[in-house]
Amino acid sequence: DVKVTQSSRYLVKRTGEKVFLECVQDMDHENMFWYRQDPGLGLRLIYFSYDVKMKEKGDIPEGYSVSREKKERFSLILESASTNQTSMYLCASSPSGVSGANVLTFGAGSRLTVL
Amino acid sequence: GQNIDQPTEMTATEGAIVQINCTYQTSGFNGLFWYQQHAGEAPTFLSYNVLDGLEEKGRFSSFLSRSKGYSYLLLKELQMKDSASYLCAVMDSNYQLIWGAGTKLIIKP
Repeated sequence: DVKVTQSSRYLVKRTGEKVFLECVQDMDHENMFWYRQDPGLGLRLIYFSYDVKMKEKGDIPEGYSVSREKKERFSLILESASTNQTSMYLCASSPSGVSGANVLTFGAGSRLTVL
Repeated sequence: GQNIDQPTEMTATEGAIVQINCTYQTSGFNGLFWYQQHAGEAPTFLSYNVLDGLEEKGRFSSFLSRSKGYSYLLLKELQMKDSASYLCAVMDSNYQLIWGAGTKLIIKP
């Protein structure tokens, strides 16, 4: 069964802490994405990557960075967590190429609470 | 700006039919997606429309009218397991997905 696996389902961190959210996919997908999901809002794209070592800013990159050292792994980093980063974070992947038909496969999400 | 609108919540009865609407205003159009998301779970792909018309897939159908900026997801013979949020997303001219806030569907026995 193909999967996108997010390492932590629930995290509680304190303001100012550095936070790592890990995402691994086993489908040999080129494209990987990080979204945040908040009540009443559509999914918002934080960063994405179309290849190893490559990253592109999404709609809300401020306060976040990413790392893609290996094809299967895409990490989201909060350098100094703040309370407004309390959210559900969803990782997704899709096959290579820029195509309207590229279907996203999502991980189950990481719910982060920043105190 | 770009915008996707869908109802926040809908309620329907087991065995019935429900239609979830999605209207959009985007910079260009390269397809419309519907995803299903059960509470606490990952969104999963339901359908993709890029041409006008109806796409049927079992109990679920999706319709698109590009001229009206409108789509709907039709669910027939509703089952309790269909209780979930349904997310509408449009791929714009830059092949970026614009997401609606989702419609929470509640199925009652």
